[in-house]
Amino acid sequence: DAKTTQPPSMDCAEGRAANLPCNHSTISGNEYVYWYRQIHSQGPQYIIHGLKNNETNEMASLIITEDRKSSTLILPHATLRDTAVYYCIVRVAINTDKLIFGTGTRLQVFP
Amino acid sequence: DSGVTQTPKHLITATGQRVTLRCSPRSGDLSVYWYQQSLDQGLQFLIQYYNGEERAKGNILERFSAQQFPDLHSELNLSSLELGDSALYFCASSDRSGQGENEQFFGPGTRLTVL
Repeated sequence: DAKTTQPPSMDCAEGRAANLPCNHSTISGNEYVYWYRQIHSQGPQYIIHGLKNNETNEMASLIITEDRKSSTLILPHATLRDTAVYYCIVRVAINTDKLIFGTGTRLQVFP
Repeated sequence: DSGVTQTPKHLITATGQRVTLRCSPRSGDLSVYWYQQSLDQGLQFLIQYYNGEERAKGNILERFSAQQFPDLHSELNLSSLELGDSALYFCASSDRSGQGENEQFFGPGTRLTVL
């Protein structure tokens, strides 16, 4: 699975959009980009995933660049409850679907 | 609430002991995954079971073992415990075996403290 690089921490004002970047320059054609988050010491929570196209769900939007070497997770209106560590994971969907977590981005949403 | 349950929530034991962590997946999910989260290693994949069979192995120590039962619940057994085994242990489940896209749903975790 391709390696990902994320900034260690980011701040965002409540009500503003939080844009979390992820670099995955060695991604290959059959690898998906997944985002999970972990609030304090709770179990990680799935947010969204995509292959090539941009994706949106009730939680967030995922923008993947055309060359697929990077992506951005967008939380459109961040709230205090969005304070968490966000993990960007690249995964090949064959045979096993273990998740390899990096160090993630610690997002702090402030009032 | 993810629908994945784990027991116990907290476990305190001594070095050299053996413990069993239990996980019940979401209804209908056939895959169960175990992850360990320690302060110095982050979240690490340990092992995956699909419908009772071992599907993938990560950095799981020989002192650790797991199994998935016919009712699909899973147990992670940790023996000859060491101080370094103190960690959060998460179970996750999904409805896929690994082919294609899938989401994993995580339980609340078991916090193991080895004294």
